[in-house]
Amino acid sequence: DGGITQSPKYLFRKEGQNVTLSCEQNLNHDAMYWYRQDPGQGLRLIYYSQIVNDFQKGDIAEGYSVSREKKESFPLTVTSAQKNPTAFYLCASSTPTGEGYTFGSGTRLTVV
Amino acid sequence: AQKITQTQPGMFVQEKEAVTLDCTYDTSDQSYGLFWYKQPSSGEMIFLIYQGSYDEQNATEGRYSLNFQKARKSANLVISASQLGDSAMYFCAMREGRRRNAGNMLTFGGGTRLMVKP
Repeated sequence: DGGITQSPKYLFRKEGQNVTLSCEQNLNHDAMYWYRQDPGQGLRLIYYSQIVNDFQKGDIAEGYSVSREKKESFPLTVTSAQKNPTAFYLCASSTPTGEGYTFGSGTRLTVV
Repeated sequence: AQKITQTQPGMFVQEKEAVTLDCTYDTSDQSYGLFWYKQPSSGEMIFLIYQGSYDEQNATEGRYSLNFQKARKSANLVISASQLGDSAMYFCAMREGRRRNAGNMLTFGGGTRLMVKP
């Protein structure tokens, strides 16, 4: 079945470390997105990519970086510059016109 | 200004009764889409229902229906015959525009926590 796989499900990071969250899709979607969710709040857009080798900043891109070397993959790196990285991170994908919007099951990142 | 507003942080409903979750939105686009998602405690985002701005009929999907009032910019979710498994966070979201490669990110409201009482 087609879908989005996010790994790991839980991730612990020490202060000052970079960590990379994985997002893989087999839906043949061109567009992919990363959202952040803080407890009791809605989702906010970090980065999005409409096509391979291209990506754009969302509303809260500071302290994050992404790459899009393959259509299927859109990894998110949480850098040490992100001051408050503890949150739930959700990856999504869609067609170029926004149809078929699908979310992964998320990665819960905790700074220890 | 908030683009998506959900004014009910939490709601209780008796099992088997209907419940309405409110959502108002703000956009100057003529073409836009409105989504409702359910998020159980596991964290996954479960798509419930979609309404396009040009759709003349209110969307329905099983026990879910969307009360779309375009002039009032509201898109309330109605859940009929509530079940215990409906207890979750519910999010309203909007996609503005529908242009290829122009960005189809969703803007989310703050959510409503629904609790179904047995």
